[in-house]
Amino acid sequence: QSALTQPASVSGSPGQSITISCTGTSNDIGGYNYVSWYQQHPGEAPKLMIYDVSNRPSGVPDRFSGSKSGNTASLSISGLQPEDEADYYCSSYTTSSTRVFGGGTKLTVL
Amino acid sequence: QVQLEQSGAEVKKPGASVKVSCKASGYTFTSYYVHWVRQAPGQGLDWMGIINPDGGYTTYAQKFQGRVTMTRDTSTSTVYMELSSLRSEDTAVYYCARGSKWFDPWGQGTLVTVSP
Repeated sequence: QSALTQPASVSGSPGQSITISCTGTSNDIGGYNYVSWYQQHPGEAPKLMIYDVSNRPSGVPDRFSGSKSGNTASLSISGLQPEDEADYYCSSYTTSSTRVFGGGTKLTVL
Repeated sequence: QVQLEQSGAEVKKPGASVKVSCKASGYTFTSYYVHWVRQAPGQGLDWMGIINPDGGYTTYAQKFQGRVTMTRDTSTSTVYMELSSLRSEDTAVYYCARGSKWFDPWGQGTLVTVSP
């Protein structure tokens, strides 16, 4: 199972909006509505930000949103804040009942 | 609150095995799957496998098949991940995480260092 494809880095200024893409295949993202997104600050464990493509766990700001079209999922962050600077990973369920992660995207808030 | 508490850091020699524990609290242990995910230094997340604490059924990522074993002890609400035939490339932080299709919450991570 190959890793999902994410851009290595994205950046934005405070208050701006950014989108991170995550591309897979019909065997993972395209086949199921089981895409999730994780935020990881240096030295910390990842934190769930979005599950089932577009659902936010309680406590996650509504500035974070998720979507999917075909084999590509996206995480959008509006009103960027300095504390949003982190690594972001997507994940998907797969046809072999395994899970797969994207390679990760480093978000820099300029 | 829901918590996953992992065992401490390990240093192992190439060819040895390591067993990492993950103790669950704050929820019904047998009602939720537990995943193992690892992260090599400066690298991304790598899914290793999943265990169903209710019955002990497991699914492993193909790259770890034959080297990884996940077990559980329902009397102590603890899951274990054992990785054998260690090599330098297995140096990583190993995380457990609760969930089925997603991962929440995560344990604090266990650093496993493989060094001669």
